[in-house]
Amino acid sequence: QPVLTQSSSASASLGSSVNLTCTLSSGHSSYIIAWHQQQPGKAPRYLMKLEGSGTYNKGSGVPDRFSGSSSGADRYLTISNLQSEDEADYYCETWDSNTGVFGGGTKLTVL
Amino acid sequence: EVQLLESGGGLVQPGGSLTLSCAASGFTFSSSAMSWVRQAPGKGLEWVSAISGGGGGTYYADSVKGRFTISRDNSKNMLYLQMNSLRAEDAAVYYCTKKGRLVATIIDYWGQGTLLTVSS
Repeated sequence: QPVLTQSSSASASLGSSVNLTCTLSSGHSSYIIAWHQQQPGKAPRYLMKLEGSGTYNKGSGVPDRFSGSSSGADRYLTISNLQSEDEADYYCETWDSNTGVFGGGTKLTVL
Repeated sequence: EVQLLESGGGLVQPGGSLTLSCAASGFTFSSSAMSWVRQAPGKGLEWVSAISGGGGGTYYADSVKGRFTISRDNSKNMLYLQMNSLRAEDAAVYYCTKKGRLVATIIDYWGQGTLLTVSS
């Protein structure tokens, strides 16, 4: 099954942009993933589905500031014009060989 | 509006059993695969189990295989997770999640979660 690798932490300033990366393990670079956001003390929220082509489909109510892109085995979540409420944990997720898989999550701090 | 409402969490002794329930609304339940995901305190998300829309396909993480059983009642729009032989490491918030038409898709909705505590 594919492994999803994420950096454990990231930080960026209020109003700036940040790219979070989820890397698929070797041989799985075509896989579709999802990005999920978990604000402190809350349940996760689905942000978007992201294909290897870079095509993404966002969930209901997800702000335009959130976008996705892909390059090879890397899947990116870009957040523009960072807001304080974007401070959260971000997880990527996929499915393979009859098993669900989550990345370890990236804790985003908004400075 | 999609809604997933979990219930049934609580305090259970090691070795005990518990069944979690999830009431679904706002979408065609029988046409959607569903899954359970858990999160231990201070830890990341862990996929637990999934079930196809018709209920004929069930899938489990190795950590719960043989101890947990996922099921659904499409006539009631309900998802269940029966948990037996509970261990301390099963303690977590359990989330009911909706997937697409097929099990082999991503999660697109989350419930609010229900807390399971395993302790003597």
